[in-house]
Amino acid sequence: RKEVEQDPGPFNVPEGATVAFNCTYSNSASQSFFWYRQDCRKEPKLLMSVYSSGNEDGRFTAQLNRASQYISLLIRDSKLSDSATYLCVVNMAFMNRDDKIIFGKGTRLHILP
Amino acid sequence: EAQVTQNPRYLITVTGKKLTVTCSQNMNHEYMSWYRQDPGLGLRQIYYSMNVEVTDKGDVPEGYKVSRKEKRNFPLILESPSPNQTSLYFCASRLRGLAGAAGNEQFFGPGTRLTVL
Repeated sequence: RKEVEQDPGPFNVPEGATVAFNCTYSNSASQSFFWYRQDCRKEPKLLMSVYSSGNEDGRFTAQLNRASQYISLLIRDSKLSDSATYLCVVNMAFMNRDDKIIFGKGTRLHILP
Repeated sequence: EAQVTQNPRYLITVTGKKLTVTCSQNMNHEYMSWYRQDPGLGLRQIYYSMNVEVTDKGDVPEGYKVSRKEKRNFPLILESPSPNQTSLYFCASRLRGLAGAAGNEQFFGPGTRLTVL
């Protein structure tokens, strides 16, 4: 099983629709979880952290399910500007080094007008 | 403005010609990393540094070197580039310590697109 796994997509979604991504991770000792957004040929940027209690930021909601080892991202009322690649990111702690950040390969989202 | 800068942004070179990609951050971050991003493979860590004079291999270090003589700079060196090192490279930095702690976001540079002929 890959350390962090995402559906690569692409997801082609009409503007205004709700879209959800899932991401699974293999290491049960993982400690921190994030969603990053990456626009074409640009650098990844933090979209939101994912907390055990779930968190919401405007149209974006992130959830964590530790028992099943997955995190999710929900985008409501999608906009054309939401078109991007969404990277699932998991932080794992190790005994003999600082924590390591593992990136998923990303899910591509296209919002259609 | 808090940022990570990389130079050059685009580079086309030939096999075997040594090159250096510079990376600099102005946020006083201890932790810096280099990643390469390839289609279908995602972001893979090349090297990382937890502080000045402390560097370690990531997942794909072969063919690369780094140095960390100053806190703000973390250059990536390709002593003898080969075509399989054609890729998009990102430098990143953050505070040392647990990523995900409040305020410990990882910041990325704008990327360097390298083509080795």
